[in-house]
Amino acid sequence: AQTVTQSQPEMSVQEAETVTLSCTYDTSESDYYLFWYKQPPSRQMILVIRQEAYKQQNATENRFSVNFQKAAKSFSLKISDSQLGDAAMYFCAYRSAFMNRDDKIIFGKGTRLHILP
Amino acid sequence: EAQVTQNPRYLITVTGKKLTVTCSQNMNHEYMSWYRQDPGLGLRQIYYSMNVEVTDKGDVPEGYKVSRKEKRNFPLILESPSPNQTSLYFCASSLSRGGYNEQFFGPGTRLTVL
Repeated sequence: AQTVTQSQPEMSVQEAETVTLSCTYDTSESDYYLFWYKQPPSRQMILVIRQEAYKQQNATENRFSVNFQKAAKSFSLKISDSQLGDAAMYFCAYRSAFMNRDDKIIFGKGTRLHILP
Repeated sequence: EAQVTQNPRYLITVTGKKLTVTCSQNMNHEYMSWYRQDPGLGLRQIYYSMNVEVTDKGDVPEGYKVSRKEKRNFPLILESPSPNQTSLYFCASSLSRGGYNEQFFGPGTRLTVL
């Protein structure tokens, strides 16, 4: 069974600085997708970025980028130029790329990010 | 507007009183799913459905039922709620199964069972 681990329950970063949130996962599958979701105080779940395991290039969305290390099963999220609006809970998630019957989606326990003004 | 809606948004109930949380999406999505979110545990999948009349257990299905009679609706049923089902519940949908498809989440339902 797949697992997703976020080892940092909470982190803080100074506004305008860069922060990296870590995520490791375990799977025996060769193709899959990894996601980072943001949950601000409004509780809405917002997709930040996704990465397909077969793509070597790290995904980037504006100030958000990932460092995907497939062999190490690591998927960290880097937030550059942190802004107050980035304060939220961040979840890492795994989903198989195969169109098989078991299509569970696995989430990590989350990392709460605080932005210090 | 494309969205996933859940009702009610907040619910306080008592042990043993059957309840249903509704979920509806207007995007013609095949895949729908229910999660519960608890502090320190992240989101855990309860049930999911890959199409009408097809449902599967997630990681924490005990105490819950679902049905998928129509493509747009995926209600979550608690036949006999217990206090350990106090949680924040999310419904989500995606175009189809498979990892590429983005999941769209509803706004969440805060359930308290006394």
